[in-house]
Amino acid sequence: DIQMTQSPSSLSASVGDRVTITCRASQTISSYLSWYQQKPGKAPKLLIYAASSLQRGVPSRFSGSGSGTDFTLTISSLQPEDFATYYCQQSYSTPLTFGGGTKVEIK
Amino acid sequence: QVQLQESGPGLVKPSETLSLTCSVSGGSISNYYWSWIRQPPGKGLEWIAYIYYTGRTTYNPSLKSRVTISVDTSKSQFSLKLSSVTAADTAVYYCARQPAAMYYFDSWGQGTLVTVSS
Repeated sequence: DIQMTQSPSSLSASVGDRVTITCRASQTISSYLSWYQQKPGKAPKLLIYAASSLQRGVPSRFSGSGSGTDFTLTISSLQPEDFATYYCQQSYSTPLTFGGGTKVEIK
Repeated sequence: QVQLQESGPGLVKPSETLSLTCSVSGGSISNYYWSWIRQPPGKGLEWIAYIYYTGRTTYNPSLKSRVTISVDTSKSQFSLKLSSVTAADTAVYYCARQPAAMYYFDSWGQGTLVTVSS
């Protein structure tokens, strides 16, 4: 199985801050990497697919980069509605696997 | 806009079989892959299995011996059966759509909590 490791596991930030979350795969996954946002009691929501493609309807302050084993999700200017938990997911091989999550909290 | 809705018992006894159905509306079940994903309370996400509308399946090896996934295209539904459940199977179960097999999940159901307890 491909292990996905996210860092940090949690962070505190203020509205307007630039936030970066990293995801590392245990082996190369090319660009088969997606990012999701999950709010309490809700299903995850797709933000980024193919490492850097923005899902339709997702604000442009979200961006993704990376390939191979190292990936980054960036929120350019954190908004109140962005406080949530973020997950990366690889689709290079089965079993499809997720990172452990990064909880973004209000400072 | 496709919508997915999980349904099934919220409480299952240990050693019994968990059965859930996902109903797809607002879009075709054809030409997509359909997955089950679960999330234990306060924990991360675990992919269980996916099925193509033709019936081709792929399972997570960690659960393969206990899982069966099926599709009924006439009803626009797909289903999950998980046998011999224990408390460790207590989780929110989500159904989700994939545009292709090795792809992302672009639409999700709201999730349903299944508790395993006597």
